[in-house]
Order: sequence, then structure tokens, then C-alpha cells
Amino acid sequence: DTGVSQDPRHKITKRGQNVTFRCDPISEHNRLYWYRQTLGQGPEFLTYFQNEAQLEKSRLLSDRFSAERPKGSFSTLEIQRTEQGDSAMYLCASSLVQGVHGYTFGSGTRLTVV
Amino acid sequence: AQKVTQAQTEISVVEKEDVTLDCVYETRDTTYYLFWYKQPPSGELVFLIRRNSFDEQNEISGRYSWNFQKSTSSFNFTITASQVVDSAVYFCALSALTGGGNKLTFGTGTQLKVEL
Repeated sequence: DTGVSQDPRHKITKRGQNVTFRCDPISEHNRLYWYRQTLGQGPEFLTYFQNEAQLEKSRLLSDRFSAERPKGSFSTLEIQRTEQGDSAMYLCASSLVQGVHGYTFGSGTRLTVV
Repeated sequence: AQKVTQAQTEISVVEKEDVTLDCVYETRDTTYYLFWYKQPPSGELVFLIRRNSFDEQNEISGRYSWNFQKSTSSFNFTITASQVVDSAVYFCALSALTGGGNKLTFGTGTQLKVEL
């Protein structure tokens, strides 16, 4: 098991473009989480899935953001019409139910909107 | 709502000094989990410890130790005989089992710099 993988590691995009990030969790983990981390801050929760069901979305997740986990395995996070304020590190994590053994984080995708 | 406060923004120590990172949390839940994560310059969050709200026993793992005190809502982290490789940002986090699922609420982190 190689842990949680995120792709790409870095993304630079022009304002107004759409971007999509991918997360591959640890295979036996049924929960998958997306977080956003801006410079000098702790990660902030965006959304989470249990298997393929999206169970909670933060108010931070505006209408321009959408996340999917179609077969309960990998997940994608899409941002439409990117804005400079979307520049951040997007972190994915996975866990077994309720994270009782800890959440395993990926290395993140750093998005820069220019 | 849950809240985690890490009042120390940055700490600098000389190698071999002991250092304590403070964490104060707020939650109305009686069942919750507390975590510490390390974030080195490479960016990934490395899990260090999880503690549940019913277990106030302090824990030691090598040079790391944690002091959980429910009476003061604190979960402090001490590194003994610090090393340069300990330089990183350390995050304290809280996960409550009711009223919001199982997401983590993080503090703003403490940047630890260990110098020779």
C-alpha cells in the first residue's frame, strides 16, 4: 500500500479556467476527505465521502466546487471558473470509519491561480 | 462548534532543548478525539498521535510525549532533546463524533525551528 496519492502535485492556472484534482485513497479505507489549506493556516474541511456517498459539505464549498467519488474508490475535486482566492493547497485524506486509527493524508495539490 | 487554538505561532530552540507546543480545544461533545500532526516542508501531514476523550493517560513515544488535561481542555505536546529534523509545522486537531460527522478541526499550527 503506497498511502494516499494526489495528482497533480502542482497546478498553475489562469483565472476563469476549470481545474480537476484526483485523489487515490488507501484501498481499504471507506472514508475520503478533502481539505483546503491556505498559507499560514491549518487545513479546513471541505467535504467527505463514505464509499460513494457524499455525506457532508462545508459552507466553504461554493457552487463552483464539486467533488465526486463515483465507485467508492478514487475521488475528483473540480473547481470551475477559478478565482485568485482559490489558490491554496488541496489535501485529501482517507480513513476507516470515524478515523479511529487516524486519518492518512496525501501530499496535496498546490493550486496557483494567476 | 469545535475550535482548536494554538497560541504559539513560531518557536525557535537550540538543538537538544526540550520544547512544549500548546493546544487548547473547545467542544460541547463529550466524545471526541484529539490529534497531533507534523507538516514538514515537503507538505504532507504526518500523523503523530490520536487520543480519545475518555483516556486522560499521558503518553510517551520516544522523545515525544503528550499531556491531556480535560480540566483545562488542553492537549500539549512536548519534544525532549529536540533535533534539527523536528523542524516543521505542528498541528493540533479535534474530531467530535456528534454534530458534524468526523471531520477534523485544525488549529493554525505552530512553526518549530530547531537550530544547531
